[in-house]
Amino acid sequence: EVQLLESGGGLVQPGGSLRVSCAASGFTFSSYAMSWVRRAPGKGLEWVSSISGSGGTTYYADSVKGRFTISRDNSKNTLYLQMNSLRAEDTAVYYCAKGPYVRNFDYWGQGTLVTVSS
Amino acid sequence: QSVLTQPPSVSAAPGQKVTISCSGSSSNIGNNYVSWYQQLPGTAPKLLIYDNNKRPSGIPDRFSGSKSGTSATLGITGLQTGDEADYYCGTWDSSLSVVAFGGGTKLTVL
Repeated sequence: EVQLLESGGGLVQPGGSLRVSCAASGFTFSSYAMSWVRRAPGKGLEWVSSISGSGGTTYYADSVKGRFTISRDNSKNTLYLQMNSLRAEDTAVYYCAKGPYVRNFDYWGQGTLVTVSS
Repeated sequence: QSVLTQPPSVSAAPGQKVTISCSGSSSNIGNNYVSWYQQLPGTAPKLLIYDNNKRPSGIPDRFSGSKSGTSATLGITGLQTGDEADYYCGTWDSSLSVVAFGGGTKLTVL
């Protein structure tokens, strides 16, 4: 059974940093691209970033480019999102998602809440 | 502003049929696969339709997808109160090298 478990969310001040993680199980992690998608309060889904199975290819939304870094540790079956220079508008539930981002996301985690506020 | 355009809301009575449209361009829907996601209140999104019209295992055939040119449509028949959710279309945008989601459509089953 595929399981994706996010962690690391919390309250952070504007301009601060936070790293969220996603522990994966139930599939061969290194064989699949992974992504982060967020949903801000009262808003719709917003794609944040994707990374290939090997980690050699990454993509970012313009809204986070230069501030966020996606990475993965295939030996630990874990996906990361390092978030720097956080802004109030980054407040959202962050979901990790499995799948070929150019086609679909077939499994999603339960999400972790990131709140950026002073 | 979303790259893909969906109606903000749709509604229908239990047992009826509803369709949700998703409009894009040649750089996204026109040349890439479309997927659809259901997000029930307080839960994570779930894949409903992939590769334009395929259903993952466990998704009832009340849900269907189609694509024509630069638009896609999600159809739901035999509406149930449990179908009340937000629905999103998604695809890859080849020109922007980004994943694009529609703004989402809130389905109300009256």
